[in-house]
Amino acid sequence: AQSVTQLDSHVSVSEGTPVLLRCNYSSSYSPSLFWYVQHPNKGLQLLLKYTSAATLVKGINGFEAEFKKSETSFHLTKPSAHMSDAAEYFCVVRKGSYNTDKLIFGTGTRLQVFP
Amino acid sequence: SQTIHQWPATLVQPVGSPLSLECTVEGTSNPNLYWYRQAAGRGLQLLFYSVGIGQISSEVPQNLSASRPQDRQFILSSKKLLLSDSGFYLCAWGRNNSPLHFGNGTRLTVT
Repeated sequence: AQSVTQLDSHVSVSEGTPVLLRCNYSSSYSPSLFWYVQHPNKGLQLLLKYTSAATLVKGINGFEAEFKKSETSFHLTKPSAHMSDAAEYFCVVRKGSYNTDKLIFGTGTRLQVFP
Repeated sequence: SQTIHQWPATLVQPVGSPLSLECTVEGTSNPNLYWYRQAAGRGLQLLFYSVGIGQISSEVPQNLSASRPQDRQFILSSKKLLLSDSGFYLCAWGRNNSPLHFGNGTRLTVT
């Protein structure tokens, strides 16, 4: 069965410093992985997706993630944090069965950005 | 382009009252539709999904039900709300091998 584990419930960084949000996955076959962002009282927005093409995936707003099969990881990074990056981030794996697209969400990482 | 609408944005209801949350999708046909719930401080839990009109699958036993009366309409209901039904409800649509697209959610508070 597929699952994702987000290793940090909260991450705090200063504006202009790098961001690292960690995610490990478990899957019995090649997974489809996503990162979504949620700003307060808003829906979820897709940041990026991995679907077995390039292992380094670039997303919106300067974020990227690297799929590492040997480490079963899909960490989200950004070189320089901006105040507007403060939000909740979810690592997600697609469960995938015939004609459905069920997603399994991690418990989320709240990113705080200090000036 | 495709858009997804959810309403209302916020709702306060007393315990024991009925519930109806509506979600509609524009710009696509025969989407897969989903209802998720996000409890405070927790991740998202899949409640229902639908691959077509009248086809509803429930992921967890609960006090809620879902219906899909039209191709692009997905409704979440309850006959009698419980305090534990409070949360943030998100509707989403998708297609096989594509990411899900989420609405802006409904904040439900049961008092």
